[in-house]
Amino acid sequence: DTGVSQNPRHKITKRGQNVTFRCDPISEHNRLYWYRQTLGQGPEFLTYFQNEAQLEKSRLLSDRFSAERPKGSFSTLEIQRTEQGDSAMYLCASSLNRGLEYGYTFGSGTRLTVV
Amino acid sequence: DQQVKQNSPSLSVQEGRISILNCDYTNSMFDYFLWYKKYPAEGPTFLISISSIKDKNEDGRFTVFLNKSAKHLSLHIVPSQPGDSAVYFCAATGTYKYIFGTGTRLKVLA
Repeated sequence: DTGVSQNPRHKITKRGQNVTFRCDPISEHNRLYWYRQTLGQGPEFLTYFQNEAQLEKSRLLSDRFSAERPKGSFSTLEIQRTEQGDSAMYLCASSLNRGLEYGYTFGSGTRLTVV
Repeated sequence: DQQVKQNSPSLSVQEGRISILNCDYTNSMFDYFLWYKKYPAEGPTFLISISSIKDKNEDGRFTVFLNKSAKHLSLHIVPSQPGDSAVYFCAATGTYKYIFGTGTRLKVLA
C-alpha cells in the first residue's frame, strides 16, 4: 500500500493554457474522487468514479473540466483554457466499496497556480 | 449554502490539556460525520467518524460527540500533544461524497 499518488505536486501555468493532473489510487480501491480546495476553505467535491464509470459531476466542474479513469485504474483531471479562478489545490482520494464511516484516503494534492 | 460549519478558525491549547473542536451542520439527513486532520503540504488524513445513530465514538485520545437535536458535533483530544498541531476538518455525508467544513487550525503549545 503506497498510498494515493498525485502528479505533479505543483503546476504553474499561464491563463488560457490546458493542464492535466494524474492520480494513482491505492491499487485495490475501486472508488476514486476528485476534490478542490481553495485557501481558507474545506475540500469541495468535484467528481466520483466507481471503477471506470464516472457517476457524478459537481456543478463546480464546468465544461472546461474533464476527468477520466480508463480501465478503472489511474485517473486524469484536465482543465482547458485555465482561468485565474482555477488556482487551487486539487485533491484525489480513493476508497474501497464499503461503508461511509471509513473515510477515504487522500493524496497530497496538486497545487495549481494560474498566472 | 454552507451545510457544515466550523466557526472557530483557530485554537491554541497547552500540551497535556484537552482540545475541543466544534462543528455545526444544517442537514438532518446526514448519516455519518467524520473528522480529518491535515498537515501542511499533505492531503487530509481520516481520524475518526460517528454514525448519526450514535452520540459518542472513542478511539484512543480522540472522542467525537454528536448532539443531533442541536445539529452539533465536537472532537475532543485528550491529552493534547504538539504533534496534534494541524488543521482539523469536520465532514458530513449521506452518500459517497463528503461535505467539509472550513477547518480549525489547532496549535498545541509545548
